[in-house]
Amino acid sequence: AQSVSQHNHHVILSEAASLELGCNYSYGGTVNLFWYVQYPGQHLQLLLKYFSGDPLVKGIKGFEAEFIKSKFSFNLRKPSVQWSDTAEYFCAVNAGSQGNLIFGKGTKLSVKP
Amino acid sequence: GAVVSQHPSRVICKSGTSVKIECRSLDFQATTMFWYRQFPKKSLMLMATSNEGSKATYEQGVEKDKFLINHASLTLSTLTVTSAHPEDSSFYICSARANRDYEQYFGPGTRLTVT
Repeated sequence: AQSVSQHNHHVILSEAASLELGCNYSYGGTVNLFWYVQYPGQHLQLLLKYFSGDPLVKGIKGFEAEFIKSKFSFNLRKPSVQWSDTAEYFCAVNAGSQGNLIFGKGTKLSVKP
Repeated sequence: GAVVSQHPSRVICKSGTSVKIECRSLDFQATTMFWYRQFPKKSLMLMATSNEGSKATYEQGVEKDKFLINHASLTLSTLTVTSAHPEDSSFYICSARANRDYEQYFGPGTRLTVT
């Protein structure tokens, strides 16, 4: 069965620190990969997505993610976080033609001002 | 961007009653809508997938007679929690997908509390 692992449950950083959130998935075929963000009290929003092409994907608000097929990974990065990045981040995989998303458990990011 | 709304945002109901949650795509036609349940400190768990005009496909372990899903139009899907119990208290989130790609747009969620 397909699964998504996010290894960090809670990450605490100071402003201007660099961020990397890990995401690994298990599926041997073609995948579409997503990172969603949920700000406090708000709904899930798409940060970025990878369907094909350049494995380094740039999203909104300075986020980027790199798809490494050999490692089954899609880690999220940001060179310098801001207090406003405090949120929960979810990695998701869409495998096959069904269109269902399989979500990781989420990583809570707290950025100290 | 695409907008998905949910109503109500919060609902409190008594044990044994039923409650209906609406999910609407406001500016696009959603051929497929998804219903998720989010537990505290856990991921979103897909409950069911509904395609307009056909019966919903439920995930393993989700009782179809308890969680009734209707997708009567391309902009509206409803989830009815029947004979609610306190353990049904949760955050229910819908998402909608148009036919053009695999991107899902999420609603703001509905907090259900069963007393």
